[in-house]
Amino acid sequence: NAGVTQTPKFQVLKTGQSMTLQCAQDMNHEYMSWYRQDPGMGLRLIHYSVGAGITDQGEVPNGYNVSRSTTEDFPLRLLSAAPSQTSVYFCASSYSRTGAAGELFFGEGSRLTVL
Amino acid sequence: AQSVSQHNHHVILSEAASLELGCNYSYGGTVNLFWYVQYPGQHLQLLLKYFSGDPLVKGIKGFEAEFIKSKFSFNLRKPSVQWSDTAEYFCAVNTNTGFQKLVFGTGTRLLVSP
Repeated sequence: NAGVTQTPKFQVLKTGQSMTLQCAQDMNHEYMSWYRQDPGMGLRLIHYSVGAGITDQGEVPNGYNVSRSTTEDFPLRLLSAAPSQTSVYFCASSYSRTGAAGELFFGEGSRLTVL
Repeated sequence: AQSVSQHNHHVILSEAASLELGCNYSYGGTVNLFWYVQYPGQHLQLLLKYFSGDPLVKGIKGFEAEFIKSKFSFNLRKPSVQWSDTAEYFCAVNTNTGFQKLVFGTGTRLLVSP
């Protein structure tokens, strides 16, 4: 089973460049989300989606855009990368939007460095 | 706002030692509690979870956690650690409102020496 697949695993950008982190899940999960992991700060929610066509902001949304045109895919876009966006990004999904019903399944992470 | 505190940032143990990692949260209502583990180079995976019922929860690989409501705590324990338990451990808390309200602690890096 593929689970949650993220690409690329590593990326180096220059300040001001744009890029998209891809996330796909094959479990028919309705809930998908993006987190960033920074040393000493744990995981922080960037954006999330409770179904195709529905997205919303998390704790740290500034500088990121998302869309959810299909159930399977949830790409994260950086329109103009900044050094503060250097981080490890995790995509996660769940079959239900509520924590009481399930668990989050995580991708392997994408390490992004912005110079 | 909810918050989660993991007081131990780095823990070093020898194999066969007992483990207890602390997790405290700040929220007065009903909560769902999770421990996730991230092995080196791998993605986060669920270790165990508490929703309701018996406050002593058993998870995978011999881990367990005890929910003590009066102390707002959900400490992770393992009687005898192995080298393969070397990983980073995250406590997480949310309410029934959904995963969008899931709050993670800062993580505890565990190193088990053989």
